[in-house]
Amino acid sequence: QSALTQPPSASGSPGQSVTISCTGTSSDVGGYASVSWYQQHPGKAPKLLIYAISERPSGVPDRFSGSRSGNTASLTVSGLQAEDEADYYCCSYAGSNGYVFGIGTKLTVL
Amino acid sequence: QLVQSGGGSVQPGGSLRVSCAASGFIFGRHWMKWVRQAPGKGPEWVSEVDGDGSTTNYADSVKGRFTVSRDNAKNTLFLQMHSLRAEDTAVYYCTRSGSPFAFDVWGQGTVVTVSS
Repeated sequence: QSALTQPPSASGSPGQSVTISCTGTSSDVGGYASVSWYQQHPGKAPKLLIYAISERPSGVPDRFSGSRSGNTASLTVSGLQAEDEADYYCCSYAGSNGYVFGIGTKLTVL
Repeated sequence: QLVQSGGGSVQPGGSLRVSCAASGFIFGRHWMKWVRQAPGKGPEWVSEVDGDGSTTNYADSVKGRFTVSRDNAKNTLFLQMHSLRAEDTAVYYCTRSGSPFAFDVWGQGTVVTVSS
């Protein structure tokens, strides 16, 4: 099972919006309504931001939103803040292959 | 909350066990999963077990070498690792599957190093 494709880096200024893409196949991203997104700061465990493509767990700011079109999912971070600087990973259920994560995107707040 | 213990350094071919103690939620109601992250890499799903321990699944990379289990009376999850290889070197996280098909609570991580 190949890792999901993400851009290695993204950036934006405070207050701006940034969108990170996550491309898979019809066997994972496009086949199940199960894409999730995680934020990871250096030396810390990942934190769940989005599940089921676009649902936010309680406590996650509504600046974070998710969507999907075909085999590509997207995470949008609106109103960028300095603390949003981190690595972001997508993940999808992949049926009999379990779960597959993305390679990660390093978000820099300029 | 998930608090991990175990892990450490081992030579190739060796064995290790990682434990994960859960608190603050009804442990037996949730699928639990193990995820690992090699240095500088993205996370990788390793295994999962259902609420009563009767169903387990594994990534192809660890199938036949790793065993996931749980003790619901002690609210503890385990990952027993055998025939360890250099490519198993990673930080291992236990996670809860509280949201559908997602990992919503994470342990602090345990370092496993396989090296001669």
